Amino acid sequence: EAQVTQNPRYLITVTGKKLTVTCSQNMNHEYMSWYRQDPGLGLRQIYYSMNVEVTDKGDVPEGYKVSRKEKRNFPLILESPSPNQTSLYFCASSLGRGYEVPNSPLHFGNGTRLTVT
Amino acid sequence: GNSVTQMEGPVTLSEEAFLTINCTYTATGYPSLFWYVQYPGEGLQLLLKATKADDKGSNKGFEATYRKETTSFHLEKGSVQVSDSAVYFCALRGGGAGGTSYGKLTFGQGTILTVHP
Repeated sequence: EAQVTQNPRYLITVTGKKLTVTCSQNMNHEYMSWYRQDPGLGLRQIYYSMNVEVTDKGDVPEGYKVSRKEKRNFPLILESPSPNQTSLYFCASSLGRGYEVPNSPLHFGNGTRLTVT
Repeated sequence: GNSVTQMEGPVTLSEEAFLTINCTYTATGYPSLFWYVQYPGEGLQLLLKATKADDKGSNKGFEATYRKETTSFHLEKGSVQVSDSAVYFCALRGGGAGGTSYGKLTFGQGTILTVHP
C-alpha cells in the first residue's frame, strides 16, 4: 500500500531535549516536506526537499533541522525543543520531476502530535 | 509571497443542504490549486485540483473552478452528507518562475464543516 509513515504518533518531551520525528514514504517520490498545523493558522511549511541532498526552508524553519540522505526518508530534528513548538506535525511527499510537479498532489502521513513542556 | 484566504468557519449545515466554502489566493504567475480534506485523527487527503485557469476540479460531488480573473477557487457541493463533516483546506503550489517555486506550498487556515442529520 502506498503510504507516508510518521513516527511516533504522539510525543511528550521537555524543553531542550533533542528529538527526531521520522518520516518514510514507499512511493519513490522525489519531493518531501514537513508542515506544522496550529489552530487558526492552517498548515505552515517548515522545510522541503526536492530530491536527495537538496533541502530548502519553508515559511517557519526556525528551530528545526532536516536531512535527506535517502530518497525514502526525511526526518525532522528539533535540537532544543521549546514550548512554542508544541503542535501537530505532518510529513508529505509527491512526485517532483519537471513537468509532473505542478500537478502533483501531496500524500500526507497521519501526523505526530508533539507536546513540549 | 503567496497567500491563501479561506472563509472563516465553522460552517454548520443540515444534510442535503448546499455547500460553498470560499477561497481566494494571491500569487505571481500561474499556480496550481488544490482542495484537501482532513477527517478527525487523520492526515490530509486530496479532494480535487485544477492546474490552469478555467479548469474545473471535481470529486465525490464536490467541485471547484479555477478563476484567474477573481483569483478564486471556491469549493461547492450540491447536497452535503453527514460523512462530509471534516476540515477543508484550500492550497496553492507554484506560481513563480523556475522549478523550485513548486517546492513551496501555501495552505489556507482551514474551514471546519459540520453536517447534521
